[in-house]
Amino acid sequence: DGGITQSPKYLFRKEGQNVTLSCEQNLNHDAMYWYRQDPGQGLRLIYYSQIVNDFQKGDIAEGYSVSREKKESFPLTVTSAQKNPTAFYLCASNPGLAGGPLHSEQFFGPGTRLTVL
Amino acid sequence: GENVEQHPSTLSVQEGDSAVIKCTYSDSASNYFPWYKQELGKRPQLIIDIRSNVGEKKDQRIAVTLNKTAKHFSLHITETQPEDSAVYFCAASIPPALGAGGTSYGKLTFGQGTILTVHP
Repeated sequence: DGGITQSPKYLFRKEGQNVTLSCEQNLNHDAMYWYRQDPGQGLRLIYYSQIVNDFQKGDIAEGYSVSREKKESFPLTVTSAQKNPTAFYLCASNPGLAGGPLHSEQFFGPGTRLTVL
Repeated sequence: GENVEQHPSTLSVQEGDSAVIKCTYSDSASNYFPWYKQELGKRPQLIIDIRSNVGEKKDQRIAVTLNKTAKHFSLHITETQPEDSAVYFCAASIPPALGAGGTSYGKLTFGQGTILTVHP
C-alpha cells in the first residue's frame, strides 16, 4: 500500500481536546505533507516538511501543529483552537530534493477521519 | 499564492463516452501538473502528470493537455468504463527556485475535485 500509513483510521474528539494523528512512511522520503479534505473543497495543505527538524505552514495551518523529529514520522496535532476540525485528514510523502526529478509523485496514506462530538 | 480552479464539479457520462475535466491555474511559474483519482473511501492515486515543457501526454485511455499561454490544462478519458467512476483532482506546483524562500518544493495546490459517474 505504498509504504505510508496513518493511524487511527477513525478518531473521535470531544470539544476542547487536543488529538494527534500519526503518519509513518518507510519509503525513505524526505518530504512529508498533511492535507485536510472536506466535501467540495478538494485537498488543502495544512503543513509540510522537506527535511527532518524543519516544517512550513501550508494554507490552513491555524489550529494545527506538527513535528518532524524523525525522517519517517510526521505527526499532526489538532488543537482545541481549530474551530471546525471534523474532516478527513491525508498524509503524503515524496522523495523531496534528494529524489532526483524536480517534481515527483506524492504518495498518500489511507487517511484518518476525525469527528468532533 | 497559486490558485487552481477545476470544472465541472460533477460529470455524468454513459459507458463508452469521453469525459473531459478542465483546470485553470493562476501562477505562470507553475510547471508541474498531476492528476489524481480518488475512489470512495480510498487514498488519492496519481494517474497521469505533465510538465510544462510538453503540451500533451497520453497513457492508454487517459490524456492530459496543457496550454501554458492560457494557463489551463485538461484531463481526457476516452471509452469510459464504470470503474472510472471516482473523484478526480488536478493540481499545480511551482519549482523551488521560484518559491518563497525556496521552500515550496513539491508543494501542490489542488483543484476542488470532479465527481465522475460512468453509467453502464
